[in-house]
Amino acid sequence: GDSVIQMQGQVTLSENDFLFINCTYSTTGYPTLFWYVQYSGEGPQLLLQVTTANNKGSSRGFEATYDKGTTSFHLQKTSVQEIDSAVYYCAMRDAPQVVGQLTFGSGTRLQVYA
Amino acid sequence: EAAVTQSPRNKVAVTGGKVTLSCNQTNNHNNMYWYRQDTGHGLRLIHYSYGAGSTEKGDIPDGYKASRPSQENFSLILELATPSQTSVYFCASGRDRGPVSNERLFFGHGTKLSVL
Repeated sequence: GDSVIQMQGQVTLSENDFLFINCTYSTTGYPTLFWYVQYSGEGPQLLLQVTTANNKGSSRGFEATYDKGTTSFHLQKTSVQEIDSAVYYCAMRDAPQVVGQLTFGSGTRLQVYA
Repeated sequence: EAAVTQSPRNKVAVTGGKVTLSCNQTNNHNNMYWYRQDTGHGLRLIHYSYGAGSTEKGDIPDGYKASRPSQENFSLILELATPSQTSVYFCASGRDRGPVSNERLFFGHGTKLSVL
């Protein structure tokens, strides 16, 4: 079945450091991939979405691309700030699934220190 | 801004008891979803709905029922709660399949359920 693997459970950075979080996915179809962010005490919210392989999505200084050849999907930001501290989830919807029927990774907790 | 409200925010239940988690959305979205969030698993889809009167099984429906009496309301029901159902539950709403830019889900703040 479909799966999404996030190996980095926790990332600790200082302000202005470079962020890179990677996911790998497994599906037989043509997925749409998402990054959701969850701040403390809140529900997840969409950060960005990439529909087509090798295209980029960007939002709030974050950028994501997915590589169909390596079935990987990564999130990066050039210079993180303390307010970026949150849990980041990658998620996938395979083409035949209904909108909202997402497979989530286990999440990466980002802690940024001033 | 889209609004999804869950109640209660916290719930303690006893094993074998019945638990109902409620969700209300003011987004006028057709689709609603129930996910549970557990460490090491991320979020997993329990049930979803296409509109009033509709409920569909997600990836982990066993032990859960859902009810969608209206466009705005979607409930998750645990008829016989077990300790393995201790988790944080999130409700979300979203539009139907359409332009892919409309795939955004709007989540509530979550309900923390403890089954003792």
